[in-house]
Parts: sequence; structure tokens; C-alpha cells
Amino acid sequence: EIVLTQSPGTLSLSPGESATLSCRASQSVSSSYLAWYQQKPGQAPRLLIYGASSRATGIPDRFSGSGSGTDFTLTISRLEPEDFAVYYCQQYGSSPYTFGQGTKLEIK
Amino acid sequence: QLQLQESGPGLVKPSETLSLTCTVSGDSINSISYYWAWIRQPPGKGLEWIGSIYYSGNTYYNPSLKSRFTISIDTSKYQFSLQVSSVTAADTAVYYCARQTTVAVSGGNWFDPWGQGTLVTVSS
Repeated sequence: EIVLTQSPGTLSLSPGESATLSCRASQSVSSSYLAWYQQKPGQAPRLLIYGASSRATGIPDRFSGSGSGTDFTLTISRLEPEDFAVYYCQQYGSSPYTFGQGTKLEIK
Repeated sequence: QLQLQESGPGLVKPSETLSLTCTVSGDSINSISYYWAWIRQPPGKGLEWIGSIYYSGNTYYNPSLKSRFTISIDTSKYQFSLQVSSVTAADTAVYYCARQTTVAVSGGNWFDPWGQGTLVTVSS
């Protein structure tokens, strides 16, 4: 089973700043089969990024993903108030599909 | 627009069987392009993939979980279901259903969209 470790656990930033979230895998994720999700309190997760760097439909271009192998990054530029949430990475390169423990992006 | 809606009891007693249903609307559950998945999230914790089912009934599960989980599908009702036997307090979680893409069609197995989730509490 591939274990995903996200860092930092909590990130405190102000609107307008940029956020860099990290997701590290315990072994290489084949074909960059990695997704990112955003979850707000009381809501279901929403797909942001798939294939490590492809934005899902309707996702603003201030969200970008990068990385390969064992190290992946989600970058959110020009933070908007609605971006403050918990973010999860998920690998689907091998079963069982696993998620990171999440990074909470909070308003500073 | 595809929508998924979970339904089931909010409270289950320990050792009983939990049954949840996900109703799909706005698109065909018979699509060859997708699987249908169950994912859970204990209160205040992260996400755990439980298993997935194809319209044909083909299933696969998270081997890290014991064989207490069974997923089934009823395409005539546009529903798929999850049963969890011998539940304990550790099964207390929000249970989500989601559509899962396939490698053959989309190039991967991500989950989109998700249902709103249903909280199941295991307690006597």
C-alpha cells in the first residue's frame, strides 16, 4: 500500500498570497496517477487536479499541480477567501487507492 | 448533471449490519466508462477508499479492510449499495459514494463527483 504524507499539516496564509502544498509518496506513483481534492467543512471533497497536473472542469487556473515519482505539489496562487479549506492528495497508481492525511489551509 | 445521493440509517448498533444506498441521477449508471465507489471519513479524520463496482457487477475492495464490506449494484434502480457486517465503533464515519473514472477511458481512477455523504454512528 502506498502511503501519502502531506505537509504541512496546517498552513496559515492571507488572501492574495500563494500556497504550496506537498504530497510525498512512500513509493513511486506510476504514471503520475495523483489527484488533489478540496474539502470545506460539512461538504464532500471536490476534485481539483488529476494526472498530477490536469485541472478538473471548472477549476480556476490559480490552482496548479506538479510533480512525479514520489513528490507532488499543489500550488494555489492569489488565494481567495473561498480557497481556505482542507486539501487531500490521492494516488490511483495502485490498489488500494490511498489518500494523504490532509493539509488545512487557514486564514492568517 | 450527474448527482449522487446516499441514504441509510444514521445509527447502527454494534455487531449489526449497516446498509447504505447511493442513488445516481442525471447520467447512466450503465456507462462502460465508469466505476462506482464508496469512500468513508471518520469524524475529524482523513479519507479511506472502501471499494468499487462496475455496472456489470465486477467489484474490487481495499484489501486493508477486512472482508466485512460488500458492494452491489441494481442498474434498474440506478442504485449501488454498501453493506458492512459486524460493525463496531471504528466504523463510525461519513460514508460517501462517488463516480470513479477508469484508466481505459480517462487515464486514471479518480473520484468525481461525490455525493454529499451520510453520517453513520455505531452505538448501542
